[in-house]
Amino acid sequence: NAGVMQNPRHLVRRRGQEARLRCSPMKGHSHVYWYRQLPEEGLKFMVYLQKENIIDESGMPKERFSAEFPKEGPSILRIQQVVRGDSAAYFCASSKDESNEQFFGPGTRLTVL
Amino acid sequence: GQQVMQIPQYQHVQEGEDFTTYCNSSTTLSNIQWYKQRPGGHPVFLIQLVKSGEVKKQKRLTFQFGEAKKNSSLHITATQTTDVGTYFCAGQGYGGTSYGKLTFGQGTILTVHP
Repeated sequence: NAGVMQNPRHLVRRRGQEARLRCSPMKGHSHVYWYRQLPEEGLKFMVYLQKENIIDESGMPKERFSAEFPKEGPSILRIQQVVRGDSAAYFCASSKDESNEQFFGPGTRLTVL
Repeated sequence: GQQVMQIPQYQHVQEGEDFTTYCNSSTTLSNIQWYKQRPGGHPVFLIQLVKSGEVKKQKRLTFQFGEAKKNSSLHITATQTTDVGTYFCAGQGYGGTSYGKLTFGQGTILTVHP
């Protein structure tokens, strides 16, 4: 399966812990996007990255959240000191370039206790 | 910032009836993409529309992009129970803060009664 891969699929954290979400884009795709979906809501853009560069992080909360897409390895979305309001589904998408269709991974469901 | 409104929020139909969902953007779009999401699943790409006035068909699904590239619709003919799910439109702008990212509509939840 050459689709977008995300892990873990489910993640449970206690308040104050750190959450690390990983995303491997489709083969041949160098553009990665992270979106957050709260229950019964639409998807909200968080951050857009290319290899080693953050292109647009306008949707990222100013504190506790960070993202990277290193030269080697998957893209990482990191949430420090998680709070209950961070509980959501986090989806990663990838595209061949910025104007092409985006393909989504299966998501990581984060639950903060 | 760019906003995409989608209506209706919910649609209940009898199997065999038609279904339409509409999207309207506050700004002109470079393209619009449509996705389907099943409960507990992830958004699955359906189609991308790029040209003004474009119409594309996929079997029973018809997608339209308005002349001004600010609105779009998805029409399903003769719905089937396999069509259930949430349909999202997502618009992409031309540049600046709209570059690359998708702005999603709120989605239309389709229920099909057999």
